[in-house]
Amino acid sequence: AQKVTQAQTEISVVEKEDVTLDCVYETRDTTYYLFWYKQPPSGELVFLIRRNSFDEQNEISGRYSWNFQKSTSSFNFTITASQVVDSAVYFCALSGGGSQGNLIFGKGTKLSVKP
Amino acid sequence: KAGVTQTPRYLIKTRGQQVTLSCSPISGHRSVSWYQQTPGQGLQFLFEYFSETQRNKGNFPGRFSGRQFSNSRSEMNVSTLELGDSALYLCASSGGTGLNEKLFFGSGTQLSVL
Repeated sequence: AQKVTQAQTEISVVEKEDVTLDCVYETRDTTYYLFWYKQPPSGELVFLIRRNSFDEQNEISGRYSWNFQKSTSSFNFTITASQVVDSAVYFCALSGGGSQGNLIFGKGTKLSVKP
Repeated sequence: KAGVTQTPRYLIKTRGQQVTLSCSPISGHRSVSWYQQTPGQGLQFLFEYFSETQRNKGNFPGRFSGRQFSNSRSEMNVSTLELGDSALYLCASSGGTGLNEKLFFGSGTQLSVL
């Protein structure tokens, strides 16, 4: 069965600290895609990144970086020098539910960044 | 380009009633998916429509149904509401052609069943 686990339910940091959000996935598919979405208090999920199963290159986008390791089935997300505006719930998701509209989401990690 | 629009934003219903939620996707998007979000179960896939056809369905009872119109707008209906149906219902749209496509989400409809 396909599954995404985000073991950290809530994380609280002080501004400018670095923080890593963990994501572990399970799938038998050889081709799959992994995503991270951010959900601010307004409710809508905002796409952050996607990664396909054949591309294990790490990616950096400004203060955000992602570490994909197929050997450990992990796709971790690091925010460097966190800011208050980063406070949100972050979801890791896996494709493979049969169609591209069906993502399998983890339970999410609520990040609180305090000034 | 306008984003995904969901109406209404909030709804309060009583047990046994039925409800219809609406979703207007981004212009040009042909795929619309619906998700239920609750504190206990998280985000769960309800169904996906592509070009007016249901392409995929999650593990929800038959009380949950949906449809898509020729302009790609979608509605979902929940009949005989139960207290456990209280949730944030999110709609997402995309071009619908590949597993790697990102989804664009609306702000959701917060349904409260009393």
